Amino acid sequence: SQQGEEDPQALSIQEGENATMNCSYKTSINNLQWYRQNSGRGLVHLILIRSNEREKHSGRLRVTLDTSKKSSSLLITASRAADTASYFCATENTGFQKLVFGTGTRLLVSP
Amino acid sequence: DTGVSQDPRHKITKRGQNVTFRCDPISEHNRLYWYRQTLGQGPEFLTYFQNEAQLEKSRLLSDRFSAERPKGSFSTLEIQRTEQGDSAMYLCASSPNNREPAFFGQGTRLTVV
Repeated sequence: SQQGEEDPQALSIQEGENATMNCSYKTSINNLQWYRQNSGRGLVHLILIRSNEREKHSGRLRVTLDTSKKSSSLLITASRAADTASYFCATENTGFQKLVFGTGTRLLVSP
Repeated sequence: DTGVSQDPRHKITKRGQNVTFRCDPISEHNRLYWYRQTLGQGPEFLTYFQNEAQLEKSRLLSDRFSAERPKGSFSTLEIQRTEQGDSAMYLCASSPNNREPAFFGQGTRLTVV
């Protein structure tokens, strides 16, 4: 079973625009991670944010975490065609070791 | 290559046959995970090892599935008497601890015909 959901399920934007994806989850967590997956390939880790952190940056990526709302967002600034992929959030829940993935957001960036 | 390695990358098998997949985690990563992913879905957790101990197993896994990590290094996932519903991408990941991210391999795509 999957923990929560990403929103939107699909997002289509033009190069240069920003893309925002949201993730909601259901239980208390140790950390939340964002991954990217190109079609038919493995998952690439993007960023990890711990439960006591509220915001984190990595290059063009900005992740926020609101544990009171059980939600996170991933912002990709100045998007590029190469950012086209599916993006997943995954939570490591308190008391458990496994990562639980959401349903993913399919991002299409058009040149 | 210092990443997570999975073998084979692709496997086509006839229904009823047994298949075995191998995962070599990043060196010194004591946590190892197996996931299954079907088209359009997020990865679903199958099982988790800490060193050689299998600490958690999903209820998704039927008795036909078994995983081992005998020396706390590489792991194998075996599916016995495969069914068409087993067709999926099987992903392996490893991490050193719960403060670091999990890194995934490229996966083994299984097709049961």
